[in-house]
Amino acid sequence: AQSVTQLDSQVPVFEEAPVELRCNYSSSVSVYLFWYVQYPNQGLQLLLKYLSGSTLVESINGFEAEFNKSQTSFHLRKPSVHISDTAEYFCAVSGPNDYKLSFGAGTTVTVRA
Amino acid sequence: NAGVTQTPKFRVLKTGQSMTLLCAQDMNHEYMYWYRQDPGMGLRLIHYSVGEGTTAKGEVPDGYNVSRLKKQNFLLGLESAAPSQTSVYFCASRTASYNSPLHFGNGTRLTVT
Repeated sequence: AQSVTQLDSQVPVFEEAPVELRCNYSSSVSVYLFWYVQYPNQGLQLLLKYLSGSTLVESINGFEAEFNKSQTSFHLRKPSVHISDTAEYFCAVSGPNDYKLSFGAGTTVTVRA
Repeated sequence: NAGVTQTPKFRVLKTGQSMTLLCAQDMNHEYMYWYRQDPGMGLRLIHYSVGEGTTAKGEVPDGYNVSRLKKQNFLLGLESAAPSQTSVYFCASRTASYNSPLHFGNGTRLTVT
């Protein structure tokens, strides 16, 4: 079974500053990795995913994540955040024969002007 | 295109009362899931279903029952509500492909007094 650790529960950041959210997973098999975002009072939405191929994946709103197999990490980054990026971010992992996704505890990003 | 719809959005119960949460999806997805979200604990899987007429237990199934009589609907029941079941409940669905992402509803906020 897979598990996910998000190393930061809260990340305050100023507008236009960079942000990095850390995610480590444990698995003995190949994995599929996901980042979801949850805006206040809403459900989770897929931000980006790594399935195979290029280890760097990007979202349409400027986020990117890099799959690092040797470090079993999938950190999320954005070079310049906006107020609208204030949300909770969840890292998730599943395996090749998994019905289920395992989620991390979440990281709350608060962007201040 | 409604996606995943959860009803009700809010509910207050007294200890010992029962209720059913309804999840409906219009994407013809095979797999459906019920999660609960509590502060600092991320999403925890309650029950899931890999097809019409099938259900399975997740991480925290005690005190809950589910049914999937129709492919598009997944019901979560609380037979005798307890204060520990105060939470936000999310339904999600996805295709039968192991690397497909989850699609979430907007949640049901349940308070048990």
